[in-house]
Amino acid sequence: EAGVTQFPSHSVIEKGQTVTLRCDPISGHDNLYWYRRVMGKEIKFLLHFVKESKQDESGMPNNRFLAERTGGTYSTLKVQPAELEDSGVYFCASSQKLFGRTGEQFFGPGTRLTVL
Amino acid sequence: ILNVEQSPQSLHVQEGDSTNFTCSFPSSNFYALHWYRWETAKSPEALFVMTLNGDEKKKGRISATLNTKEGYSYLYIKGSQPEDSATYLCASNTGNQFYFGTGTSLTVIP
Repeated sequence: EAGVTQFPSHSVIEKGQTVTLRCDPISGHDNLYWYRRVMGKEIKFLLHFVKESKQDESGMPNNRFLAERTGGTYSTLKVQPAELEDSGVYFCASSQKLFGRTGEQFFGPGTRLTVL
Repeated sequence: ILNVEQSPQSLHVQEGDSTNFTCSFPSSNFYALHWYRWETAKSPEALFVMTLNGDEKKKGRISATLNTKEGYSYLYIKGSQPEDSATYLCASNTGNQFYFGTGTSLTVIP
């Protein structure tokens, strides 16, 4: 079974440009999450989709970030316009329908974004 | 916002040595504690999920314990090998949101 995949693996852009990150979750996983790790700091939650609906977007830093999951399959995260502080590793994770409390998440390899 | 702390931040050990790291988390609103092993440019790999106070899990040379009353978990590696070099992340799950620590970076010197 294929794991969570993310594209691109690296992106280097200039301040003010737009970048779109893509995440393909594990097939059949309704829950999809985006996280970000700024260098040296903890991985921080950005938002959570259940199918195509945003369940929780409390972690989105500001309105320059837009996440979509049309059709409830893959998701995109667009940053427009990018700022220097947006640099970091963006992780995507997915999980099956939640049962119990553990909600184990499976992570992709991340997209390393560098804004110059 | 939950404050999850890991210590030490980084660690260098000789091959064959045993080592352990700590993850501390608020004991209120606790659902589960997750440990991940992460090598740069790869997906964080799930090691353990623990939910009950006193839980102990083991996977080969790696084991973990959980104390939900005092809010800490230990990860132990017995007889460290160079391939154990990675960042070890813990995350406290409060229901549907994960709060991660900054990780412990382990380097095992051959």
